[in-house]
Amino acid sequence: AQTVTQSQPEMSVQEAETVTLSCTYDTSESDYYLFWYKQPPSRQMILVIRQEAYKQQNATENRFSVNFQKAAKSFSLKISDSQLGDAAMYFCAYRSLDFGNEKLTFGTGTRLTIIP
Amino acid sequence: GAGVSQSPSNKVTEKGKDVELRCDPISGHTALYWYRQSLGQGLEFLIYFQGNSAPDKSGLPSDRFSAERTGGSVSTLTIQRTQQEDSAVYLCASSLALQVIYEQYFGPGTRLTVT
Repeated sequence: AQTVTQSQPEMSVQEAETVTLSCTYDTSESDYYLFWYKQPPSRQMILVIRQEAYKQQNATENRFSVNFQKAAKSFSLKISDSQLGDAAMYFCAYRSLDFGNEKLTFGTGTRLTIIP
Repeated sequence: GAGVSQSPSNKVTEKGKDVELRCDPISGHTALYWYRQSLGQGLEFLIYFQGNSAPDKSGLPSDRFSAERTGGSVSTLTIQRTQQEDSAVYLCASSLALQVIYEQYFGPGTRLTVT
């Protein structure tokens, strides 16, 4: 079974600064997908970024980028030029490519606070 | 277009009562997922549907939990004889199909409180 660990329950960053959220995972699979989801107070989970394990290039989406270290099983999220709207819970998630294992496995989340 | 909707938004019930939670997926989405988010925890997978079929029910915490999906659309998660440990936010998600390349779109969840 796969596990996802987020060791930072809370993080804070000054507006316009850069912050990195950590995520590690454990798996015996060689191909899989990793995700970062954002959950604002509205509770609705929003996909921020995704990474295919077979791709060596780190994914980027505007101000969001990841540092994917496959050998270390590490998948951190970097938010550049932090904005007030970035304040939320952030969850790292893993998904297997195996048929019959179509679930997302989530970490426990990191609460990000943006300081004006 | 309309996203995933869930009802009720909040539900308070007494221990021992049955509750039904409803999920309306995005139109045309064949895959539907239920997750549970307990306080201070990540999301815990409960069950998924492909069409009206649920191939894997092993994520359901106990036999008090059941789920069904009709017409390949609306899904209902039923909890019988609720216990205080069932208090959580129940999130539903849908995607075009089961394949991982299709994004899961989440609803706003139902917050269940068992008193």
